Amino acid sequence: DTEVTQTPKHLVMGMTNKKSLKCEQHMGHRAMYWYKQKAKKPPELMFVYSYEKLSINESVPSRFSPECPNSSLLNLHLHALQPEDSALYLCASSQVIGRATEAFFGQGTRLTVV
Amino acid sequence: AQSVAQPEDQVNVAEGNPLTVKCTYSVSGNPYLFWYVQYPNRGLQFLLKYITGDNLVKGSYGFEAEFNKSQTSFHLKKPSALVSDSALYFCAVSLTNNAGNMLTFGGGTRLMVKP
Repeated sequence: DTEVTQTPKHLVMGMTNKKSLKCEQHMGHRAMYWYKQKAKKPPELMFVYSYEKLSINESVPSRFSPECPNSSLLNLHLHALQPEDSALYLCASSQVIGRATEAFFGQGTRLTVV
Repeated sequence: AQSVAQPEDQVNVAEGNPLTVKCTYSVSGNPYLFWYVQYPNRGLQFLLKYITGDNLVKGSYGFEAEFNKSQTSFHLKKPSALVSDSALYFCAVSLTNNAGNMLTFGGGTRLMVKP
C-alpha cells in the first residue's frame, strides 16, 4: 500500500469556523508533512513531523495547528482562517532513514475560505 | 540556500515526439534531486530521483532524467510523448536531516502534448 489518504477532498469554511483536515498512511513511514499549494504555484512546506514529534514549523500562522496522534495519522486544525488561506493542502509521508527518499503525497484537500 | 529553477512555464510537444522539461539546481554539497508530476486537482506523483551513481536515471511511465554536474542541470526526458503525459511537472531538491526529507520545488512546467 503506497497510498496517502486525505479527507475531506473539498472543504468550504467561514472565517469564524473551526475545521480539521485529516491524513492517513499505512506505509510505516515515520515522517509526515503538510504542504500548501496556491493555484499555479509549487507546493510550500508548512510542517514536518518526525516520529510523531513536530520538527519543523516553517513560520506558519497559529491559526494552523498540526497534530500527529500516532505514526499513521496527521491532522491540521484550522481556526479563524482568512480568504487568502484558500489553497490545496497536501499531506505527504516518507521514510526517515538519514538519506533522501521520495515523499508520497495524498490527493490534497481543496480548501475555500469564505 | 538550496534551490531549483524551471526556466520554462510551458512546453508544447506533438504526440510521438521526444520531450524535455528543464531543471537547473543550486545546491551546496551533493544534490538530491527529484521529479514529480501533478495532474489536475490531484496530489503529486513521484517520477524519479537522483541521489548518486549513474547520471541517467530511469523512472516511472517511461520518463528518464539526465544529471549533469558541470551544467548543474537535471532535465526530464521521454523519447516519445503521449497525450496523457500532459500535466504539471515539478523539479525538487531535498534537504535531508534528522527531521526528514524536506522538498523545495521549482516553479513548475506545464507540459502540453498535442495529438
